[in-house]
Amino acid sequence: GAVVSQHPSWVICKSGTSVKIECRSLDFQATTMFWYRQFPKQSLMLMATSNEGSKATYEQGVEKDKFLINHASLTLSTLTVTSAHPEDSSFYICSARDRTKTGYEQYFGPGTRLTVT
Amino acid sequence: AQKVTQAQTEISVVEKEDVTLDCVYETRDTTYYLFWYKQPPSGELVFLIRRNSFDEQNEISGRYSWNFQKSTSSFNFTITASQVVDSAVYFCALSGMDSNYQLIWGAGTKLIIKP
Repeated sequence: GAVVSQHPSWVICKSGTSVKIECRSLDFQATTMFWYRQFPKQSLMLMATSNEGSKATYEQGVEKDKFLINHASLTLSTLTVTSAHPEDSSFYICSARDRTKTGYEQYFGPGTRLTVT
Repeated sequence: AQKVTQAQTEISVVEKEDVTLDCVYETRDTTYYLFWYKQPPSGELVFLIRRNSFDEQNEISGRYSWNFQKSTSSFNFTITASQVVDSAVYFCALSGMDSNYQLIWGAGTKLIIKP
């Protein structure tokens, strides 16, 4: 149980285009989902927290207009990188919190590797 | 404020050696959770263990063991008889009320097991 999927697993796009990454909780309902960014050889950096049906809460320094997050249902959150540039190339990881579980454990997706050319 | 320190950036050992990865944390919460995750080259995070602050019992799972000591704010991870497949980056993380239960991550320790 507690499986989180991400799609796509990797994507290459041209500078100036937008890319959407999906994060799904497959066998549980997630009231809260998190989006992380990870640069090579670095730790995970929390970008934003999204709660189902409400606006995402962005961490300081993360551009809301550039990284659009939508959490439309209890099993799906999307991250759209708008007008992507090479500096947006990174590994993006989502996680989800099971609303029925205690311990505040997060279940992680496999990640999406974005390369902007 | 909460903080997790993994002072060892990279550790390299020969297969079958034992290795300990250190994790030191800071928090003012009385209730908190500590985690270890493994990140192999594929990038997918693998959950290893969760510990709550009220449970200081050490845990062993196969070749893995964890030593939680509140007195020194440490949650160290030991791999016994290391194998090449253990090569990965290992992250220690903390979650507590002070951070609204968001995960506070250490910088990670890259473990290289040489055959």
